[in-house]
Amino acid sequence: EAGVVQSPRYKIIEKKQPVAFWCNPISGHNTLYWYLQNLGQGPELLIRYENEEAVDDSQLPKDRFSAERLKGVDSTLKIQPAELGDSAVYLCASSPGLAGGRSEQFFGPGTRLTVL
Amino acid sequence: DQQVKQNSPSLSVQEGRISILNCDYTNSMFDYFLWYKKYPAEGPTFLISISSIKDKNEDGRFTVFLNKSAKHLSLHIVPSQPGDSAVYFCAASGPDKLIFGTGTRLQVFP
Repeated sequence: EAGVVQSPRYKIIEKKQPVAFWCNPISGHNTLYWYLQNLGQGPELLIRYENEEAVDDSQLPKDRFSAERLKGVDSTLKIQPAELGDSAVYLCASSPGLAGGRSEQFFGPGTRLTVL
Repeated sequence: DQQVKQNSPSLSVQEGRISILNCDYTNSMFDYFLWYKKYPAEGPTFLISISSIKDKNEDGRFTVFLNKSAKHLSLHIVPSQPGDSAVYFCAASGPDKLIFGTGTRLQVFP
């Protein structure tokens, strides 16, 4: 069974430029998560989708971040414009259930963003 | 406000000995706890979990202990192997989301 796929794996951009990350969850998984992981920290939830609906986006900085999950499968996370402080690893995860934190989450390898 | 704390950023253990990783939480509403393991350049992978109705859960070499009164859980790895060298994240769950700790880097040396 294929795992969660993310691309690109690495991205280097200059500040004020836009950037987008793509995630393909495990087939059949209803719930998709985007996390931000800063150096030396644990993952922090940005947004959670149940099917195509964003059910928790309270931690997503909506002035510059946006996300979508068309047809309840793939998802993209966009930053426009990027700032120096956005340099981090962006993780996508999926889970089969709709139980939020209690359903085991399967993580992709992440996209390491560097903003210069 | 860090709701899930892993106060030891690193731990070094000899192969064959026991590794004990600790985690403290502050929110008494958390009712499900998980440990994830992360290798460099990979995403975290689920290791073991425990519900708040239990105080111990065992899976092979891995055992998680939960002390609800102390709001403390620990992960025991016995015996430790070099392949266990990784960063371990504790996570606590309410009904809607996981809250992760900052991680403990475990190094198992021969």
